[in-house]
Amino acid sequence: SQTIHQWPATLVQPVGSPLSLECTVEGTSNPNLYWYRQAAGRGLQLLFYSVGIGQISSEVPQNLSASRPQDRQFILSSKKLLLSDSGFYLCAWSVLRGSSPLHFGNGTRLTVT
Amino acid sequence: SQKIEQNSEALNIQEGKTATLTCNYTNYSPAYLQWYRQDPGRGPVFLLLIRENEKEKRKERLKVTFDTTLKQSLFHITASQPADSATYLCALVMGSNTGKLIFGQGTTLQVKP
Repeated sequence: SQTIHQWPATLVQPVGSPLSLECTVEGTSNPNLYWYRQAAGRGLQLLFYSVGIGQISSEVPQNLSASRPQDRQFILSSKKLLLSDSGFYLCAWSVLRGSSPLHFGNGTRLTVT
Repeated sequence: SQKIEQNSEALNIQEGKTATLTCNYTNYSPAYLQWYRQDPGRGPVFLLLIRENEKEKRKERLKVTFDTTLKQSLFHITASQPADSATYLCALVMGSNTGKLIFGQGTTLQVKP
């Protein structure tokens, strides 16, 4: 069966520090991969999605970047964190079909201080 | 602009009653609509998908309707239980090849015993 791993679960980082969140998927090949952010009391905002290795689409201009160095690995990064980067970051995967559901990891709670 | 709206106010109902949650959208013509459940501190979990040519979909105590004329989906939980308490998110499929989902902000349901 397919599983998705996301770490760390919680993270507290000072303003200006770098960020690296990692997500890996097991049990499937060539998945679509996504990074979402959820601010407190808000909906999920799509940040990046990827349909293949090295293929990244950015949805919202911001202080973050994403990379997909391997088929089932998706990384969210920042060179210098801002206070506004605080939030709940969720990685998800789906098969290459528009109607298929998203399968989410358990998220990383990031607090920038 | 494109919008997906869910009732931001929490829905409080008594155990055993039917809960009805609403998802309205504007300026979209989605081919699919999905509903997810999210528990505090966790990633969303897929519940149901309904296609534009389907009026209604059922799964156990869950029922989803999709009215493309009204641009509205209703999500019903019959015989509700305290364990149904969670935030419920609707999402529209935006890209047939990418599987990109745009989410509403969610409605929190509280079922009281």
